[in-house]
Amino acid sequence: EDKVVQSPLSLVVHEGDTVTLNCSYEVTNFRSLLWYKQEKKAPTFLFMLTSSGIEKKSGRLSSILDKKELFSILNITATQTGDSAIYLCAALYGGATNKLIFGTGTLLAVQP
Amino acid sequence: NAGVTQTPKFQVLKTGQSMTLQCAQDMNHEYMSWYRQDPGMGLRLIHYSVGAGITDQGEVPNGYNVSRSTTEDFPLRLLSAAPSQTSVYFCASRRLTTDTQYFGPGTRLTVL
Repeated sequence: EDKVVQSPLSLVVHEGDTVTLNCSYEVTNFRSLLWYKQEKKAPTFLFMLTSSGIEKKSGRLSSILDKKELFSILNITATQTGDSAIYLCAALYGGATNKLIFGTGTLLAVQP
Repeated sequence: NAGVTQTPKFQVLKTGQSMTLQCAQDMNHEYMSWYRQDPGMGLRLIHYSVGAGITDQGEVPNGYNVSRSTTEDFPLRLLSAAPSQTSVYFCASRRLTTDTQYFGPGTRLTVL
């Protein structure tokens, strides 16, 4: 069965902390791994990862993919209260059908 | 560009009623999809389409119908609403040649 698993399910940190969110996947015909941030409305795109070992970076957020071990991590350094959100990981797979399967998400709460 | 739009934003139905959730995009994206999001379940794919006239089932298609008569529109029909269909529904779209998917603002549906 195709699946994406995220951990931890939830996390509470203080401003300034560094956090690492985990995502593992098992899908057929893997194509890419995507990270989204969801606050109160629709998910917004963060990163897309296709190749192993190449870090994607945007400000305090970074992500990397390991296609051999089938996982990805999302790092957030110097966390701020505005980073509080659900972080969703999704795997694009399936060849011609190109389906996107999501994990259940990690709920991050950053306290002042 | 308006991006991906959804109507209505909120809807309350009684068990057994039918309704259509509307989704439209103005980015000429071939791929469109519907997800539902429930607490602790992440985003689950209901139906998707890779182009006008082509639709297919996702993970949780039962109780929902879709059609794709134009590139722009991808309505989701609930034939006979049930309380188990209480959820937040997101429509999403992307180009077939890219992996980045864009989400609409969501429809919060309550079935009494």
